[in-house]
Amino acid sequence: DADVTQTPRNRITKTGKRIMLECSQTKGHDRMYWYRQDPGLGLRLIYYSFDVKDINKGEISDGYSVSRQAQAKFSLSLESAIPNQTALYFCATSDPDNEQFFGPGTRLTVL
Amino acid sequence: ELKVEQNPLFLSMQEGKNYTIYCNYSTTSDRLYWYRQDPGKSLESLFVLLSNGAVKQEGRLMASLDTKARLSTLHITAAVHDLSATYFCAVDMLGAQKLVFGQGTRLTINP
Repeated sequence: DADVTQTPRNRITKTGKRIMLECSQTKGHDRMYWYRQDPGLGLRLIYYSFDVKDINKGEISDGYSVSRQAQAKFSLSLESAIPNQTALYFCATSDPDNEQFFGPGTRLTVL
Repeated sequence: ELKVEQNPLFLSMQEGKNYTIYCNYSTTSDRLYWYRQDPGKSLESLFVLLSNGAVKQEGRLMASLDTKARLSTLHITAAVHDLSATYFCAVDMLGAQKLVFGQGTRLTINP
């Protein structure tokens, strides 16, 4: 079984809808991250969490919120989706050397 | 602000040839990571470089880190088609425990 899982894998939604992307991990890591990937821009950090009580904004947090429900679960929400949030979203965990392990990704399309 | 730049962004090469991808970064760091991404897939960790002068090799790929020059290289020896992918470098922001990614290098290896 995969160490980092994401649901859903694909989602099409309409402008203004609220969307939640979920991430679970079995690696036992405290640190978890949410990134978005757009063509030609690499990966950009949205939010990160070092433990259940520690959540931090990344470089592009506007329009997003997160919830760390447990060590193993980290959810990303789009409160009111807009078309320029169409992207590939990745969840990741990291070990003490900060090597990051990525989930399979969620392809989100906002119409 | 930490900036990470890869060069080249696109690379088309023939099987059997050697080439190098460069990763430059703008501020002090002693941790650098290389990832591979196949089309439509997630990111896979290739190398973790944790100190100045670190060199790691796996098959036809070799990565090195020069923290004084703020430069890492990913060298491909005798390329084969299976190495076609997008390669990302990422730098650990010193003390921040989060990564900043380069734009990625799309490598295409032709028979």
